[in-house]
Amino acid sequence: NAGVTQTPKFRVLKTGQSMTLLCAQDMNHEYMYWYRQDPGMGLRLIHYSVGEGTTAKGEVPDGYNVSRLKKQNFLLGLESAAPSQTSVYFCASRRESEAFFGQGTRLTVV
Amino acid sequence: GQQLNQSPQSMFIQEGEDVSMNCTSSSIFNTWLWYKQDPGEGPVLLIALYKAGELTSNGRLTAQFGITRKDSFLNISASIPSDVGIYFCAGPSNFGNEKLTFGTGTRLTIIP
Repeated sequence: NAGVTQTPKFRVLKTGQSMTLLCAQDMNHEYMYWYRQDPGMGLRLIHYSVGEGTTAKGEVPDGYNVSRLKKQNFLLGLESAAPSQTSVYFCASRRESEAFFGQGTRLTVV
Repeated sequence: GQQLNQSPQSMFIQEGEDVSMNCTSSSIFNTWLWYKQDPGEGPVLLIALYKAGELTSNGRLTAQFGITRKDSFLNISASIPSDVGIYFCAGPSNFGNEKLTFGTGTRLTIIP
């Protein structure tokens, strides 16, 4: 019973490099989310999806792109990483009111 | 964008004390959620509130949906070491209720 799985768990990038964070859920949820967590800022919504093939912007979408080609997967891309994108990234899927989170990806951009 | 402000930002208490925290919004919410994040983990749902004025308990935790629908409160009674973590309020923040917005968090530390 995996729930929500994020890969990788840790990553260090150089400024300007690109990468993709993968989120997979096995609960058949329609809604999926990507958040970033920074000290004192709480969880800020980057992008979200209400179903396969759909995506929408959250509060802090700049510098990120997402894709939901399959219902169970939600990918977060950084095309050209910047130090300001150093953060812990959380993916979640949602059933009714309850969101289920992955364990996070700690990304450092140097 | 939607803002959920939580206070206090952090709390330092002794084991056995009661804890109160709150969450306020600039606009009306139809659902209020309270989550807890343990160190190194993702947040987990504690309590969900669906009606203005509603008071709901989960063990030593009690949460209230403010009557203005712009605020919510969480109380923890007789705190224990495992209560340490970050507490978040959250709610669906757009008309279709798809967008799930989280607050800034309250970090709870228990002083030995």
